[in-house]
Amino acid sequence: GIQVEQSPPDLILQEGANSTLRCNFSDSVNNLQWFHQNPWGQLINLFYIPSGTKQNGRLSATTVATERYSLLYISSSQTTDSGVYFCAVEQRWGGGADGLTFGKGTHLIIQP
Amino acid sequence: DVKVTQSSRYLVKRTGEKVFLECVQDMDHENMFWYRQDPGLGLRLIYFSYDVKMKEKGDIPEGYSVSREKKERFSLILESASTNQTSMYLCASSLPPDRGGDGYTFGSGTRLTVV
Repeated sequence: GIQVEQSPPDLILQEGANSTLRCNFSDSVNNLQWFHQNPWGQLINLFYIPSGTKQNGRLSATTVATERYSLLYISSSQTTDSGVYFCAVEQRWGGGADGLTFGKGTHLIIQP
Repeated sequence: DVKVTQSSRYLVKRTGEKVFLECVQDMDHENMFWYRQDPGLGLRLIYFSYDVKMKEKGDIPEGYSVSREKKERFSLILESASTNQTSMYLCASSLPPDRGGDGYTFGSGTRLTVV
């Protein structure tokens, strides 16, 4: 099956710093999402981004599908950004589904 | 916004009990999924369904079954709970991309402890 690798596994930053999280995947995909898992365990969808660039406030994401990687940028970090960030992909085209394959996540800690 | 609701946030059950985890979505999504999340093992797909009464095994279906009698509801069943099924269970729903889907939406999760 498809492999998803995220880096770095852990990241500790001071409040106000910028960060870049990377996701590499081993095959072409039709779905790529970035999630933030909050302290209560819920997965919050940040971006649906199988290709291209999107921005939402201090967060932005870029997926270069031809080179099989995606980047999540967090600018001006706040303590509430702490948590685990997951990249997840799916390969199925057309109807139905295969389920998302998740990377192991990046554990981000923002210190005040 | 699509809402995916899981019936319980925390659950404690005894070994051997039959356990039902319920998930309901309110946006007419065709696809529904059950994952479990464990430290060191990440998120793993248990079962999914792409239509009413349809089900597909995921990566770790052993010890579980599912039911989808209505489009909006997808139930995960632990036929005889065991301690190794203590985990965080996450439900999700989606529309296929060719039907205008824009990704998976997850519920808030159920932390199940089997004692």
